[in-house]
Amino acid sequence: KAGVTQTPRYLIKTRGQQVTLSCSPISGHRSVSWYQQTPGQGLQFLFEYFSETQRNKGNFPGRFSGRQFSNSRSEMNVSTLELGDSALYLCASSLQTSGSTDTQYFGPGTRLTVL
Amino acid sequence: GIQVEQSPPDLILQEGANSTLRCNFSDSVNNLQWFHQNPWGQLINLFYIPSGTKQNGRLSATTVATERYSLLYISSSQTTDSGVYFCAARGGSNYKLTFGKGTLLTVNP
Repeated sequence: KAGVTQTPRYLIKTRGQQVTLSCSPISGHRSVSWYQQTPGQGLQFLFEYFSETQRNKGNFPGRFSGRQFSNSRSEMNVSTLELGDSALYLCASSLQTSGSTDTQYFGPGTRLTVL
Repeated sequence: GIQVEQSPPDLILQEGANSTLRCNFSDSVNNLQWFHQNPWGQLINLFYIPSGTKQNGRLSATTVATERYSLLYISSSQTTDSGVYFCAARGGSNYKLTFGKGTLLTVNP
């Protein structure tokens, strides 16, 4: 079974632009979460989606948004990019069905550089 | 929300040595995972262990939920074990994993 995939793997943008990152979960997984990793703040939770609904949101400004499609694939969008948005963005999926464990499986990440 | 603390922040070993990494959490958990982050940034699942003990080859983990800590044991370390080890926990009814700051392990040949 294929793992979590994320595209693109690397991205360079300039301040003020917007960016869309994509995440395809493991087949059958219904929950997708996004995390931001920076050297200063570590790994921080952005948001979590289940069946196209956002169930949880971290402490990030409204410039960070996301959505989940009916096939469980998810996208996150960052508008009006700032230098501080440079980070590794990680996506995780989990099964989230009755009787299953809540193990989170992570994708390889998208490394975003804002110039 | 839940707080997760890892120790030590850095650990340097000679190949073949054993090590213990610790993770303390501030509240009861329903999910606790250990990850190894590879040089390319991917988080590799090591254990899902909200309670009890598990072993996988040279690695094992124990979580004592009542005392709010988890331990990751690495035996006969190899240079390929080098990297950052993260503990992450989830508690209550929210759906996010809270990560510790990690332990940077360096195994020298």
